[in-house]
Amino acid sequence: EIVLTQSPDFQSVTPKEKVTITCRASQSIGSSLHWYQQKPGQSPSLLIKYASQPFSGVPSRFSGSGSGTDFTLTINSLEVEDGATYYCHQSSSFPWTFGQGTKVEIK
Amino acid sequence: QEELVESGGGVVQPGRSLRLSCAASGFTFNDYGMHWVRQGPGKGLEWVALISYDGSNKYYSDSVKGRFTISRDNSKNTLYLQMNSLRAEDTAVYYCAKPLSDGRSPFDPWGQGTLVTVSS
Repeated sequence: EIVLTQSPDFQSVTPKEKVTITCRASQSIGSSLHWYQQKPGQSPSLLIKYASQPFSGVPSRFSGSGSGTDFTLTINSLEVEDGATYYCHQSSSFPWTFGQGTKVEIK
Repeated sequence: QEELVESGGGVVQPGRSLRLSCAASGFTFNDYGMHWVRQGPGKGLEWVALISYDGSNKYYSDSVKGRFTISRDNSKNTLYLQMNSLRAEDTAVYYCAKPLSDGRSPFDPWGQGTLVTVSS
């Protein structure tokens, strides 16, 4: 099973700051890495697919990069509505796995 | 638009069974494999099971293999999860999710989830 490790687990950030979340895979997964946002009481929603491709309708302040084992989600100029938990997810091999999540709190 | 609506959750005693349903609309259901993903209280996401578009292939996480069965009825545009021998650690919100394209693509959309509580 491929283990995904996110860092940090928690981040408290001021609006307009830049946020960087990393996801490290226990073995190479190419670009089969996706990012989701989950707000309290809601289902996850897709942000970035295949490491760097923004999903339809996602604001341009969200971007992704990386390949192989190291990936990054960047939120430029954080907005209040971005307070949420962010998860990475690999679809390279079964079983599909998720990172443990990174909670972003707005100061 | 594409929509998934889960139902069937509730409180069940350890060792008992429960069947979840996921009604799909807004897309051609029998063109897509479908997933179940769960989230324990205050915890992260855990992939549970995948069924191919025609139901011929099924995949499970080790934590549910042998106890849960994924199935589908393409005539009713509905996905199911039969959960037997339930344990306290199966307590979670269960989501159904559609892949963007093939079975190895990311998930969108997700349903709103249905809560399963296993407790005596």
